[in-house]
Amino acid sequence: DGGITQSPKYLFRKEGQNVTLSCEQNLNHDAMYWYRQDPGQGLRLIYYSQIVNDFQKGDIAEGYSVSREKKESFPLTVTSAQKNPTAFYLCASSRALGRALNYGYTFGSGTRLTVV
Amino acid sequence: DQQVKQNSPSLSVQEGRISILNCDYTNSMFDYFLWYKKYPAEGPTFLISISSIKDKNEDGRFTVFLNKSAKHLSLHIVPSQPGDSAVYFCAASVSGSARQLTFGSGTQLTVLP
Repeated sequence: DGGITQSPKYLFRKEGQNVTLSCEQNLNHDAMYWYRQDPGQGLRLIYYSQIVNDFQKGDIAEGYSVSREKKESFPLTVTSAQKNPTAFYLCASSRALGRALNYGYTFGSGTRLTVV
Repeated sequence: DQQVKQNSPSLSVQEGRISILNCDYTNSMFDYFLWYKKYPAEGPTFLISISSIKDKNEDGRFTVFLNKSAKHLSLHIVPSQPGDSAVYFCAASVSGSARQLTFGSGTQLTVLP
Protein backbone atom coordinates (compact mmCIF):
# COMPACT_ATOMS: atom_id res chain seq x y z
CA ASP A 1 0.00 0.00 0.00
CA GLY A 2 1.17 3.50 -0.74
CA GLY A 3 1.71 5.83 2.15
CA ILE A 4 3.93 8.22 3.98
CA THR A 5 6.29 7.02 6.71
CA GLN A 6 7.81 9.06 9.46
CA SER A 7 10.55 7.79 11.72
CA PRO A 8 11.26 7.54 14.53
CA LYS A 9 7.92 7.75 16.31
CA TYR A 10 9.57 9.09 19.48
CA LEU A 11 12.84 10.99 19.64
CA PHE A 12 14.75 12.45 22.55
CA ARG A 13 17.32 15.17 22.05
CA LYS A 14 19.81 16.68 24.41
CA GLU A 15 20.25 20.42 24.60
CA GLY A 16 22.55 21.68 21.84
CA GLN A 17 22.18 18.65 19.58
CA ASN A 18 20.89 18.56 16.03
CA VAL A 19 18.44 15.80 15.17
CA THR A 20 16.97 14.71 11.85
CA LEU A 21 13.42 13.46 11.38
CA SER A 22 12.79 11.17 8.45
CA CYS A 23 9.85 11.39 6.04
CA GLU A 24 9.44 9.03 3.09
CA GLN A 25 6.50 8.65 0.71
CA ASN A 26 5.76 6.16 -2.05
CA LEU A 27 2.67 7.90 -3.36
CA ASN A 28 4.50 9.59 -6.23
CA HIS A 29 3.45 12.93 -4.79
CA ASP A 30 5.30 16.00 -5.97
CA ALA A 31 4.78 18.22 -2.94
CA MET A 32 5.86 17.57 0.64
CA TYR A 33 5.39 19.54 3.85
CA TRP A 34 6.53 19.69 7.46
CA TYR A 35 4.21 20.87 10.21
CA ARG A 36 4.62 21.29 13.90
CA GLN A 37 1.76 20.72 16.32
CA ASP A 38 1.67 22.32 19.76
CA PRO A 39 -1.29 22.16 22.15
CA GLY A 40 -3.93 24.75 21.25
CA GLN A 41 -2.02 26.00 18.21
CA GLY A 42 -3.05 23.61 15.49
CA LEU A 43 -0.64 22.81 12.70
CA ARG A 44 2.01 25.37 11.80
CA LEU A 45 3.94 25.11 8.56
CA ILE A 46 7.72 24.80 8.91
CA TYR A 47 8.90 24.11 5.34
CA TYR A 48 7.40 22.88 2.10
CA SER A 49 8.70 21.61 -1.20
CA GLN A 50 6.89 21.49 -4.53
CA ILE A 51 9.64 19.78 -6.53
CA VAL A 52 12.95 18.05 -6.04
CA ASN A 53 15.85 20.32 -5.08
CA ASP A 54 13.54 23.18 -4.21
CA PHE A 55 11.90 24.12 -0.92
CA GLN A 56 10.39 27.17 0.73
CA LYS A 57 10.15 28.45 4.28
CA GLY A 58 6.82 28.29 6.03
CA ASP A 59 5.67 30.33 9.00
CA ILE A 60 8.11 29.00 11.60
CA ALA A 61 11.26 27.97 9.71
CA GLU A 62 13.79 29.45 12.14
CA GLY A 63 15.93 26.74 13.74
CA TYR A 64 14.98 24.13 11.13
CA SER A 65 16.49 22.96 7.86
CA VAL A 66 15.33 20.58 5.12
CA SER A 67 16.54 18.95 1.94
CA ARG A 68 14.74 17.47 -1.05
CA GLU A 69 17.28 15.45 -2.98
CA LYS A 70 14.77 12.78 -3.94
CA LYS A 71 11.08 12.98 -4.74
CA GLU A 72 10.31 10.38 -2.10
CA SER A 73 12.20 11.94 0.79
CA PHE A 74 11.95 15.19 2.73
CA PRO A 75 14.00 15.01 5.96
CA LEU A 76 13.73 17.73 8.59
CA THR A 77 16.69 18.72 10.78
CA VAL A 78 15.92 20.39 14.08
CA THR A 79 19.01 22.40 14.90
CA SER A 80 20.31 23.67 18.22
CA ALA A 81 19.11 27.12 17.14
CA GLN A 82 15.50 26.01 17.64
CA LYS A 83 14.77 27.30 21.13
CA ASN A 84 11.66 25.27 21.87
CA PRO A 85 11.84 22.08 19.82
CA THR A 86 9.66 19.85 21.99
CA ALA A 87 6.57 19.19 19.85
CA PHE A 88 4.77 16.73 17.62
CA TYR A 89 6.07 16.91 14.04
CA LEU A 90 3.95 15.91 11.06
CA CYS A 91 5.06 15.34 7.51
CA ALA A 92 2.57 15.45 4.64
CA SER A 93 2.53 15.05 0.89
CA SER A 94 0.17 15.99 -1.89
CA ARG A 95 -0.22 15.85 -5.63
CA ALA A 96 1.13 18.64 -7.78
CA LEU A 97 0.01 22.19 -7.36
CA GLY A 98 -3.46 22.65 -8.74
CA ARG A 99 -4.46 19.07 -8.10
CA ALA A 100 -3.76 18.72 -4.41
CA LEU A 101 -6.96 20.22 -3.19
CA ASN A 102 -9.20 17.61 -4.71
CA TYR A 103 -7.45 14.97 -2.68
CA GLY A 104 -6.16 16.81 0.32
CA TYR A 105 -2.91 15.98 1.98
CA THR A 106 -1.71 12.59 3.10
CA PHE A 107 -0.09 12.80 6.50
CA GLY A 108 2.43 10.57 8.20
CA SER A 109 1.82 9.32 11.73
CA GLY A 110 4.14 11.89 13.26
CA THR A 111 7.29 12.09 15.37
CA ARG A 112 7.19 13.28 18.95
CA LEU A 113 10.40 15.11 19.77
CA THR A 114 11.34 15.77 23.39
CA VAL A 115 14.32 17.75 24.60
CA VAL A 116 15.87 16.27 27.71
CA ASP B 1 -2.56 36.56 13.21
CA GLN B 2 -4.57 33.39 12.77
CA GLN B 3 -6.28 33.35 9.39
CA VAL B 4 -8.29 30.22 10.21
CA LYS B 5 -9.91 30.06 13.63
CA GLN B 6 -11.66 27.32 15.49
CA ASN B 7 -12.90 29.04 18.60
CA SER B 8 -14.18 25.96 20.40
CA PRO B 9 -11.30 23.85 21.70
CA SER B 10 -13.69 21.08 22.70
CA LEU B 11 -17.21 19.80 22.11
CA SER B 12 -19.15 16.96 23.75
CA VAL B 13 -22.28 15.42 22.26
CA GLN B 14 -24.41 12.39 22.97
CA GLU B 15 -24.23 9.40 20.65
CA GLY B 16 -26.85 9.63 17.92
CA ARG B 17 -27.17 13.40 18.13
CA ILE B 18 -25.76 15.99 15.75
CA SER B 19 -22.23 17.36 16.15
CA ILE B 20 -21.58 20.82 14.75
CA LEU B 21 -18.01 22.02 14.49
CA ASN B 22 -17.38 25.62 13.48
CA CYS B 23 -14.57 27.41 11.68
CA ASP B 24 -14.07 31.08 10.79
CA TYR B 25 -11.57 32.60 8.40
CA THR B 26 -10.35 36.10 7.74
CA ASN B 27 -8.59 35.84 4.37
CA SER B 28 -11.13 36.57 1.64
CA MET B 29 -8.76 35.00 -0.90
CA PHE B 30 -9.41 31.52 0.50
CA ASP B 31 -11.46 29.58 -2.01
CA TYR B 32 -11.16 25.97 -0.92
CA PHE B 33 -11.81 24.49 2.48
CA LEU B 34 -11.13 21.09 3.99
CA TRP B 35 -11.78 19.23 7.21
CA TYR B 36 -9.34 16.75 8.70
CA LYS B 37 -9.80 14.29 11.54
CA LYS B 38 -6.98 13.34 13.87
CA TYR B 39 -6.65 10.60 16.48
CA PRO B 40 -3.95 10.83 19.19
CA ALA B 41 -0.42 9.98 18.04
CA GLU B 42 -1.57 9.70 14.43
CA GLY B 43 -1.48 11.99 11.44
CA PRO B 44 -4.66 13.81 10.35
CA THR B 45 -6.80 12.15 7.70
CA PHE B 46 -8.77 13.97 5.05
CA LEU B 47 -12.51 14.01 5.73
CA ILE B 48 -14.40 16.32 3.40
CA SER B 49 -13.85 19.47 1.37
CA ILE B 50 -15.79 22.27 -0.26
CA SER B 51 -15.06 24.77 -2.98
CA SER B 52 -16.12 28.39 -2.63
CA ILE B 53 -18.47 28.01 -5.59
CA LYS B 54 -20.66 25.76 -3.43
CA ASP B 55 -22.40 26.32 -0.13
CA LYS B 56 -22.85 22.69 0.85
CA ASN B 57 -21.12 19.37 0.33
CA GLU B 58 -22.33 16.07 1.72
CA ASP B 59 -20.60 12.72 2.18
CA GLY B 60 -22.52 10.15 4.17
CA ARG B 61 -22.88 11.33 7.76
CA PHE B 62 -20.68 14.36 7.13
CA THR B 63 -21.86 17.66 5.65
CA VAL B 64 -19.88 20.85 5.30
CA PHE B 65 -21.63 24.20 4.95
CA LEU B 66 -19.93 27.35 3.69
CA ASN B 67 -21.18 30.89 4.29
CA LYS B 68 -18.86 33.11 2.28
CA SER B 69 -20.41 36.39 3.34
CA ALA B 70 -19.81 35.50 6.98
CA LYS B 71 -16.48 33.81 6.24
CA HIS B 72 -17.72 30.84 8.18
CA LEU B 73 -17.91 27.12 7.61
CA SER B 74 -19.24 24.30 9.69
CA LEU B 75 -19.02 20.53 9.75
CA HIS B 76 -22.14 18.58 10.69
CA ILE B 77 -21.93 14.94 11.75
CA VAL B 78 -25.25 13.12 11.90
CA PRO B 79 -25.69 10.81 13.69
CA SER B 80 -22.61 11.11 15.89
CA GLN B 81 -20.86 7.90 16.88
CA PRO B 82 -18.28 7.18 19.61
CA GLY B 83 -15.71 6.45 16.88
CA ASP B 84 -16.05 10.06 15.73
CA SER B 85 -14.28 11.19 18.90
CA ALA B 86 -11.14 12.91 17.63
CA VAL B 87 -9.63 16.32 16.96
CA TYR B 88 -11.09 18.00 13.89
CA PHE B 89 -9.03 20.55 11.96
CA CYS B 90 -10.43 23.05 9.53
CA ALA B 91 -8.08 24.08 6.70
CA ALA B 92 -8.27 26.67 3.94
CA SER B 93 -6.39 27.42 0.77
CA VAL B 94 -5.98 29.91 -2.04
CA SER B 95 -6.06 28.22 -5.44
CA GLY B 96 -2.65 28.26 -7.02
CA SER B 97 -0.87 29.01 -3.76
CA ALA B 98 2.29 26.97 -3.45
CA ARG B 99 2.03 26.74 0.34
CA GLN B 100 -1.41 25.20 0.03
CA LEU B 101 -3.23 24.75 3.34
CA THR B 102 -3.61 26.97 6.41
CA PHE B 103 -4.95 25.06 9.42
CA GLY B 104 -7.08 26.06 12.37
CA SER B 105 -6.18 25.09 15.92
CA GLY B 106 -8.57 22.15 16.06
CA THR B 107 -11.64 21.11 18.06
CA GLN B 108 -11.65 18.01 20.25
CA LEU B 109 -14.95 16.20 19.70
CA THR B 110 -16.07 13.69 22.31
CA VAL B 111 -19.11 11.55 21.52
CA LEU B 112 -20.56 10.09 24.69
CA PRO B 113 -22.17 6.62 24.52
